[in-house]
Amino acid sequence: GDSVTQMEGPVTLSEEAFLTINCTYTATGYPSLFWYVQYPGEGLQLLLKATKADDKGSNKGFEATYRKETTSFHLEKGSVQVSDSAVYFCALSGYSSASKIIFGSGTRLSIRP
Amino acid sequence: NAGVTQTPKFQVLKTGQSMTLQCAQDMNHEYMSWYRQDPGMGLRLIHYSVGAGITDQGEVPNGYNVSRSTTEDFPLRLLSAAPSQTSVYFCASSYSKAGAYEQYFGPGTRLTVT
Repeated sequence: GDSVTQMEGPVTLSEEAFLTINCTYTATGYPSLFWYVQYPGEGLQLLLKATKADDKGSNKGFEATYRKETTSFHLEKGSVQVSDSAVYFCALSGYSSASKIIFGSGTRLSIRP
Repeated sequence: NAGVTQTPKFQVLKTGQSMTLQCAQDMNHEYMSWYRQDPGMGLRLIHYSVGAGITDQGEVPNGYNVSRSTTEDFPLRLLSAAPSQTSVYFCASSYSKAGAYEQYFGPGTRLTVT
């Protein structure tokens, strides 16, 4: 079945460092891919998405490119801030189960001032 | 719009008690889902609904019931609470936008079963 694998955390960086959180997926067909962010004590919020190969999703300085050849959707940010500290979830929505989203296990990110 | 609302925010139950977690959305989304979030395990799908009157099981449905009598509401019932059901529960609604189903999450209900 469909699945998502993302790098385990926690990840700790200094402010203004470059961020990469790896995400790979297994799915039949052509899924849509998402990154969600969860701030402490809150629900998940959609950060960015991509619906087809080579699409780049971007929001709040974060970017991720849908790479079908490597089945990956890595999250990147050029210069992180303390306010980016949160848990990040990679997810996919497949055509075979369009109403269900498969989530990765989440990566906790902490940014030091 | 209020988005997705959940009540209560916190709940403590004794083993064997039953209760209903409420979820409502005002965005007219067809799809609604319930997830539980446990440390180190991400989110796991409990039940979902593709429209009023239609529900189906997710990955971890045992011990939970749902119904969907209206588009807006999707309550989750715990039949006989067990300590293994201690978790944070999230309700979500979604719709199709350009072929992708974006999920909108509620703020969560933190449940402790003693």
